[in-house]
Amino acid sequence: GAGVSQSPSNKVTEKGKDVELRCDPISGHTALYWYRQRLGQGLEFLIYFQGNSAPDKSGLPSDRFSAERTGESVSTLTIQRTQQEDSAVYLCASSPLAGLVQETQYFGPGTRLLVL
Amino acid sequence: SQKIEQNSEALNIQEGKTATLTCNYTNYSPAYLQWYRQDPGRGPVFLLLIRENEKEKRKERLKVTFDTTLKQSLFHITASQPADSATYLCAVYNQGGKLIFGQGTELSVKP
Repeated sequence: GAGVSQSPSNKVTEKGKDVELRCDPISGHTALYWYRQRLGQGLEFLIYFQGNSAPDKSGLPSDRFSAERTGESVSTLTIQRTQQEDSAVYLCASSPLAGLVQETQYFGPGTRLLVL
Repeated sequence: SQKIEQNSEALNIQEGKTATLTCNYTNYSPAYLQWYRQDPGRGPVFLLLIRENEKEKRKERLKVTFDTTLKQSLFHITASQPADSATYLCAVYNQGGKLIFGQGTELSVKP
């Protein structure tokens, strides 16, 4: 079946503009995660949706960042008033069952964001 | 604070040799540890999971060890091939259910 998809694949924006990134998880996957990966760095956790529970937003770096998820389907990550430091690859991942630590995560290809 | 550390320096080896990558963690007591592979421009891909009661796990040319006393996992690729060149990430779940990744180690296998 189809894997995790993300759009756009690349986004160039001007400082101060808002951007919206989209993630379509694997159908039926309950858990959805967003990560940020700066050039040459590891993955930085941003937010975690698990079924109908309240999302874990503890990794969001500032109030300019927000994310929503509609049921167990698509999620959008919004960055308001973008800054150059927001330039990174934003990765989305989903996993079949929420709350089971042995579940592996399936990653999308990422959205490469460049803020000029 | 909780940390996961991997060798930041790239590992360069000759084809056919065994590559060994290290993952150290502090202030965690993970029940599971995972290894992922990431190719340039792509998202990570899951490779192996090892449980705390498993000392060793194998999958084809891959072997992972998990030493909860040393708080360390080793990832081995035997008979390495140029196609194994990639960045390898280890990850553990914290108590909040989040998967926390190390920064990854880049492996380059030369023919």
